Amino acid sequence: DVKVTQSSRYLVKRTGEKVFLECVQDMDHENMFWYRQDPGLGLRLIYFSYDVKMKEKGDIPEGYSVSREKKERFSLILESASTNQTSMYLCASTQGNLVGDEQFFGPGTRLTVL
Amino acid sequence: GENVEQHPSTLSVQEGDSAVIKCTYSDSASNYFPWYKQELGKRPQLIIDIRSNVGEKKDQRIAVTLNKTAKHFSLHITETQPEDSAVYFCAATIRLGDKFYFGSGTKLNVKP
Repeated sequence: DVKVTQSSRYLVKRTGEKVFLECVQDMDHENMFWYRQDPGLGLRLIYFSYDVKMKEKGDIPEGYSVSREKKERFSLILESASTNQTSMYLCASTQGNLVGDEQFFGPGTRLTVL
Repeated sequence: GENVEQHPSTLSVQEGDSAVIKCTYSDSASNYFPWYKQELGKRPQLIIDIRSNVGEKKDQRIAVTLNKTAKHFSLHITETQPEDSAVYFCAATIRLGDKFYFGSGTKLNVKP
């Protein structure tokens, strides 16, 4: 059973702080994704990674960066948090070698930036 | 790139009625269309999917149809139950192992 975990369920930070959100998957999946979820906007892709040290920008990468030093871990970094980054952040992973393979999601991190 | 539109944004039905959620996509190269269900406070989970070489797929009370010519696909839930209340997302993907393009979500409320 695939398990995707995220470091925090709830996080409160102040404007300008550097924020790290961590995601870990335990099924040796190749691909990992970071989304933010906002009401009425669905799931918007921030960044994704299809291999260690590889990353690609999604639809809304501005203000974010990512790091994938190990296959199982994908970190989302907010270099200088702003109030408009208050959102639910979801991490996901896929096996990566099958067309249409399922995305397994983490429980989400609700980030509030004050 | 691909653009997926989903309608309606909210849907309220009486228990036992059917619910239909529709999505359109823009890129004819898209070949895989999953549907995810997200219950309140929980993570999205895959409930059904369809590939471009199939027109319809059923799994108990849930079915998905795909019209490649019109570039739209739909989720059908029959005999709805209160536990079907959730947000449903459609998605499309173009290439092997590539990113998904998600719709904006439909909040389904099934009234007992």
